[in-house]
Amino acid sequence: AQRVTQPEKLLSVFKGAPVELKCNYSYSGSPELFWYVQYSRQRLQLLLRHISRESIKGFTADLNKGETSFHLKKPFAQEEDSAMYYCALIHGTSYGKLTFGQGTILTVHP
Amino acid sequence: GAVVSQHPSWVICKSGTSVKIECRSLDFQATTMFWYRQFPKQSLMLMATSNEGSKATYEQGVEKDKFLINHASLTLSTLTVTSAHPEDSSFYICSAPRQGRYYEQYFGPGTRLTVT
Repeated sequence: AQRVTQPEKLLSVFKGAPVELKCNYSYSGSPELFWYVQYSRQRLQLLLRHISRESIKGFTADLNKGETSFHLKKPFAQEEDSAMYYCALIHGTSYGKLTFGQGTILTVHP
Repeated sequence: GAVVSQHPSWVICKSGTSVKIECRSLDFQATTMFWYRQFPKQSLMLMATSNEGSKATYEQGVEKDKFLINHASLTLSTLTVTSAHPEDSSFYICSAPRQGRYYEQYFGPGTRLTVT
């Protein structure tokens, strides 16, 4: 069965510091991995999709199949990055069913 | 961008009663919708997949008779919590992928259910 693990429930950094939110997955096939973000009092929204290899709001994430990881990184955190971040995967036959990690609450202090 | 709405945003009901939650895709058609449950500051747990014109598919451990799902049209799925109990109190969220683009999912704002 597929599983997504985010080891850090809480992460605090100061503005301008680098930030890395960890995500590990277990899945026997080739998963599609995503990062979703939920700002305070807002709905969940897609931040990144590994296939697109984009940088959104300064965030990047690289899929490391050897380490089964998909860590989210940003070189200089901003206060507006404070939010709940979820790593998630879709496995090949699920037609969009997402398996979410436990989530990491990122707080960026001024 | 695509929008998914949920109604109501917050509902309080008495133990033993039933409550219906609606999920609508406002500007696109969705043959599939997903229902999740989220506990405070915790992850989303997939409950079921709602399929237009056919029966919903429930995840292991989710009671089909308690959480009734109906996907009546290409833009509407409903979740009915039957004979609600306090332990059913939670935040219920739906999502809908664009047809043919399963990776492009849009989430509703969620419905907070409180059972007293």
